[in-house]
Amino acid sequence: DQQVKQNSPSLSVQEGRISILNCDYTNSMFDYFLWYKKYPAEGPTFLISISSIKDKNEDGRFTVFLNKSAKHLSLHIVPSQPGDSAVYFCAAKRAGTASKLTFGTGTRLQVTL
Amino acid sequence: DTAVSQTPKYLVTQMGNDKSIKCEQNLGHDTMYWYKQDSKKFLKIMFSYNNKELIINETVPNRFSPKSPDKAHLNLHINSLELGDSAVYFCASSQTSGSNEQFFGPGTRLTVL
Repeated sequence: DQQVKQNSPSLSVQEGRISILNCDYTNSMFDYFLWYKKYPAEGPTFLISISSIKDKNEDGRFTVFLNKSAKHLSLHIVPSQPGDSAVYFCAAKRAGTASKLTFGTGTRLQVTL
Repeated sequence: DTAVSQTPKYLVTQMGNDKSIKCEQNLGHDTMYWYKQDSKKFLKIMFSYNNKELIINETVPNRFSPKSPDKAHLNLHINSLELGDSAVYFCASSQTSGSNEQFFGPGTRLTVL
């Protein structure tokens, strides 16, 4: 039962344009969401997160939007840069101790020149 | 300085063998995790330890046995390796068990022949 889904396995965007990566979840108990970025042969690195009490969080070129009623979140990267080319994982968790991250299967972003 | 390190990076072995993967974090975190990323790129938690105590134990075959000699180390021992154990194993840590952000190691690619 995949509780976090990233339905687009890949995305190609031109440098300078906006990249939009999408994520859907099914478990209404999730209350914190994270985006991780992963380069080949490296571990995932934390990028940005959002609590369920917010609908938007911004950090430089990265913005995450959360639509709780639709159980949907998205990551916007503006402007996209070649160094952004990586696999992006959406993750979700429930509050409280011993809380584990539930990951989506990732979206491979390629930013072309 | 590497925050979360794993050894070895690559491990190729025969079916039926026993092998161990080591993980160390120098972040002073209380909680450590093991995740498995299978061939479908699905990243799923296996175990979590908080201050050397097991706090998360997902449905994992008992051939997998984690061991935490101290809170900076979490090792994973696998007995009687099977073909289906081939995957990338990631270690991670977080400041506390309730922390939202987890820091990942570079991964260990295990190939069982």
